Amino acid sequence: QVHLEEWGAGLLKPSETLALTCSVFGGSFTGYYWTWIRQPPGKGLEWIGDIVHSGETSYTPSLKSRVSMSVDTSKTQFSLRLNSVTAADTAVYYCARGVVSEMVRYFDSWGQGALVAVSS
Amino acid sequence: SSELTQDPAVSVALGQTVRITCQGDALTFYYASWYQQKPGQAPVVVVYGKNNRPSGIPDRFSASSSGNTASLTITGAQAEDEADYYCNSRDRSGNHHVFGSGTTVTVL
Repeated sequence: QVHLEEWGAGLLKPSETLALTCSVFGGSFTGYYWTWIRQPPGKGLEWIGDIVHSGETSYTPSLKSRVSMSVDTSKTQFSLRLNSVTAADTAVYYCARGVVSEMVRYFDSWGQGALVAVSS
Repeated sequence: SSELTQDPAVSVALGQTVRITCQGDALTFYYASWYQQKPGQAPVVVVYGKNNRPSGIPDRFSASSSGNTASLTITGAQAEDEADYYCNSRDRSGNHHVFGSGTTVTVL
């Protein structure tokens, strides 16, 4: 049974860099899409992007200029960095495991979520 | 705005059937997955692809699709099904994923 856990700074000032890491416990680290998803307070889910064990990434176009992801297979961790944050980046950030089955990619395991607030 | 459109809210009487729809051009080419989210909790996948349920998900949850619309049906809704539901699929480019705007289901 895989378990994901996010951690990182929870309070940022505008223009700072958001940095979160997701530790993956149990299961294989290869063959999956390690994904970041966020949810502003009271709003819907937003797919930020994903990374595979080789380091290949895919980012949502609206955040592509500010986001980067990395992976550390030796520690079974993957990370998210989002530059130049504003109040609009305040959200609960989830890490999740993307699985491909039956011609669809879906997210079968999620972390508990990490609240990141941006405020001056 | 999301490339996948969902009705903001629906209600269903206890034990009755409710269908939640998700519309988007990309759904003509790609299957969707569906997530249930209760307040203060992470989302949980309830159905994915043509009509597949992960282990532990009740068989009252089912999926279907037609043209540019994917649907999640709850047959015999229970009080514990009251939650927000989100669809997810690839975007029009096929290179990224996108969530629907979400539907709040109220069980009366």
